[in-house]
Amino acid sequence: EAEVAQSPRYKITEKSQAVAFWCDPISGHATLYWYRQILGQGPELLVQFQDESVVDDSQLPKDRFSAERLKGVDSTLKIQPAELGDSAMYLCASSLRTVNSPLHFGNGTRLTVT
Amino acid sequence: DQQVKQNSPSLSVQEGRISILNCDYTNSMFDYFLWYKKYPAEGPTFLISISSIKDKNEDGRFTVFLNKSAKHLSLHIVPSQPGDSAVYFCAASRINDYKLSFGAGTTVTVRA
Repeated sequence: EAEVAQSPRYKITEKSQAVAFWCDPISGHATLYWYRQILGQGPELLVQFQDESVVDDSQLPKDRFSAERLKGVDSTLKIQPAELGDSAMYLCASSLRTVNSPLHFGNGTRLTVT
Repeated sequence: DQQVKQNSPSLSVQEGRISILNCDYTNSMFDYFLWYKKYPAEGPTFLISISSIKDKNEDGRFTVFLNKSAKHLSLHIVPSQPGDSAVYFCAASRINDYKLSFGAGTTVTVRA
């Protein structure tokens, strides 16, 4: 079964440093999402792409976070500078363009900021 | 603003018995509901869904019930198996909106 690929699996960085995460969605999935999950909470949407366009980034802290999906396929999420409160699991998901199509998640990147 | 709530952080059940997970929502515009299962160090996996035009959806050992008037849904797992031990997330979205709102999750432990 096709999977959403994410790298790296784990990342430890010092505060004020820059960090980047990469996601390759399931082939043919036009919609791509970045979610953040803090321990003990459910995933929260950071940004949603439809092809290469941002559909929703209302919850993305734009002063330090950026996301791109230049060719409408893979995507990069960047944090600069990282803060202690950014420690979390960053999950990428993709889905078909149809309404009510389930999201398929990758295994995430566990970020620890020291 | 937590629009989807799972008030039980954990549930312990004996193997072979029924597991019942509950979820409440506040947004009356939600019309599509999903359950995801998550093992440690893995991403959530889609389990089962239900649209607001139904009150029940069944898939093997998993059944989801929706009570729109109470803004409540539940997931039944019968019979529970050790491999069902995981965190279960309830999620909801509005019609024509791809955005999912998740609950905080319920950790299920199935005892042998």
